Amino acid sequence: DGGITQSPKYLFRKEGQNVTLSCEQNLNHDAMYWYRQDPGQGLRLIYYSQIVNDFQKGDIAEGYSVSREKKESFPLTVTSAQKNPTAFYLCASSIWWLEGWTGELFFGEGSRLTVL
Amino acid sequence: SQQGEEDPQALSIQEGENATMNCSYKTSINNLQWYRQNSGRGLVHLILIRSNEREKHSGRLRVTLDTSKKSSSLLITASRAADTASYFCVRNAGGTSYGKLTFGQGTILTVHP
Repeated sequence: DGGITQSPKYLFRKEGQNVTLSCEQNLNHDAMYWYRQDPGQGLRLIYYSQIVNDFQKGDIAEGYSVSREKKESFPLTVTSAQKNPTAFYLCASSIWWLEGWTGELFFGEGSRLTVL
Repeated sequence: SQQGEEDPQALSIQEGENATMNCSYKTSINNLQWYRQNSGRGLVHLILIRSNEREKHSGRLRVTLDTSKKSSSLLITASRAADTASYFCVRNAGGTSYGKLTFGQGTILTVHP
């Protein structure tokens, strides 16, 4: 079955550590995204990538880094520079933006990061 | 301020009743989408309505869009306990705002058996 796989589902980090969240998709989608969700709030865009070896900052990129070396993979690193990293992180993908792109996103099941 | 605000923030109903959630936005859109999120899970796309459409149906879901009022509503008819989830409206401004969909804060729907 096609879909998006995020791992790990739960992750604990000590202050000062970097952690990397994995996101893999087999939908053959060109575009991939990372969102952050805090309790009672909507999703906020961290980074997105339209094509391999290219990515763009979203609204809250500070303290995060990404890479896009393969079409299927878009890992997110939460660095020690992120002051409040405890949150639910969602990876998504979509077809490449064309005229009339609908913006329909396909989401993974999320990774919950807790800083101890 | 946030775009795509939903109202109410929480809704509690009995099974079999209809549930209506509203979404307002402030700037023009290319389309508006509704997603569902079960607790602790990812979001699932439910339905999309384009700016030139006024109403759309999908199973027990009915979405309306009023661009003059910059508002949309999602109606779930004959609700079931399994409909319990958070529902988000997502504005797609289109144009050059690639990758920058705007999410509302969501409506938490609880359907009691």
